[in-house]
Amino acid sequence: EDQVTQSPEALRLQEGESSSLNCSYTVSGLRGLFWYRQDPGKGPEFLFTLYSAGEEKEKERLKATLTKKESFLHITAPKPEDSATYLCAVQGRQRGMDSSYKLIFGSGTRLLVRP
Amino acid sequence: DGGITQSPKYLFRKEGQNVTLSCEQNLNHDAMYWYRQDPGQGLRLIYYSQIVNDFQKGDIAEGYSVSREKKESFPLTVTSAQKNPTAFYLCASSLAKGPYEQYFGPGTRLTVT
Repeated sequence: EDQVTQSPEALRLQEGESSSLNCSYTVSGLRGLFWYRQDPGKGPEFLFTLYSAGEEKEKERLKATLTKKESFLHITAPKPEDSATYLCAVQGRQRGMDSSYKLIFGSGTRLLVRP
Repeated sequence: DGGITQSPKYLFRKEGQNVTLSCEQNLNHDAMYWYRQDPGQGLRLIYYSQIVNDFQKGDIAEGYSVSREKKESFPLTVTSAQKNPTAFYLCASSLAKGPYEQYFGPGTRLTVT
């Protein structure tokens, strides 16, 4: 069964204190791994798509990396406005379907960056 | 600006009443989705549609119904058969034939008492 586990559940950082969020996954044939940011009471905002092991993508203070078993979201010198819940999702190959649209989401990591 | 709109933002209903949540997109996406989000849990797929007049059940379709009469619209009805309807409901859309990222609307918070 496809599964996504995110750790830690919550993370508190001081402004400027770099850290990483983990997304471990089990999927039958990874088609894509997605990172989203979600602010309280709002819909998730798309950040990155990673397709294969070794791939990396960057956006401002965020950098996402991918291995065959996990993905990391590195946050460099975070600011208070980076505080949010970060969601990871995977899309795998589903048997019996021409194309899989299903995303399997982790429970997220709640990040709080204090000034 | 292209995007996804959901209405209303907050919805309150009495137990036993059906309620319909609206979702509209102007991104020209073929695929649309409905998710439910509960505290401490990941998003769970309710229904999805790849093309007009066609839709498939997700993991938690019981107590819900959908229609897809127009490419831009994918309304979700929460029926009285849904045992725990109070939740945050999110609509999303994507290009067809993925893997493509899904873009989400702002969500509707439904409270049933």
